[in-house]
Amino acid sequence: GAVVSQHPSRVICKSGTSVKIECRSLDFQATTMFWYRQFPKKSLMLMATSNEGSKATYEQGVEKDKFLINHASLTLSTLTVTSAHPEDSSFYICSVVTSGTYNEQFFGPGTRLTVL
Amino acid sequence: QKEVEQDPGPLSVPEGAIVSLNCTYSNSAFQYFMWYRQYSRKGPELLMYTYSSGNKEDGRFTAQVDKSSKYISLFIRDSQPSDSATYLCAMSAGGATNKLIFGTGTLLAVQP
Repeated sequence: GAVVSQHPSRVICKSGTSVKIECRSLDFQATTMFWYRQFPKKSLMLMATSNEGSKATYEQGVEKDKFLINHASLTLSTLTVTSAHPEDSSFYICSVVTSGTYNEQFFGPGTRLTVL
Repeated sequence: QKEVEQDPGPLSVPEGAIVSLNCTYSNSAFQYFMWYRQYSRKGPELLMYTYSSGNKEDGRFTAQVDKSSKYISLFIRDSQPSDSATYLCAMSAGGATNKLIFGTGTLLAVQP
């Protein structure tokens, strides 16, 4: 498997500010990482696929200018929520894959974002 | 219709009970089936991973896939309070870049 960390674990911000969430693969060089968001009692929803050294691939309906993803190294991907609004409040989780298939994913502990 | 349906629960059982968790799906292309466990305020962790139909056992956990009925199950024997968590099913059609589709998760509480 892979050990994945996220920072911060919890963040509260004012509406209109930007928030950066880091996802680190601690023991594996991850070419591909994923970003999900999870609402209470809802499925994990894939937001984007983050590829090291190239642009992220966003899912339909996810605003790429609002959710900026940077995968600058094999161990770090960042998600920046720009001009956050209360409806962006959610649990954001990243994951890494360690093999050629996307089926086995190893998840970070998640970041709880609350926008006031 | 959602691609993956899962009863959100909550499901409350006494310690030692056999737990049955289920998902149904509509996409007949799904071939890979996973169960993840998620504790409160944590990320999911992979519990079971099966391909196509059949059973797979790992300790107290058994995963069952019935592709003809588009129905998958996770059984937990001798349930423990530490099994209390949300259990998410996930599935994919396979291939190197095929994404996972998750169920909503079932919240399980095992009472001591």
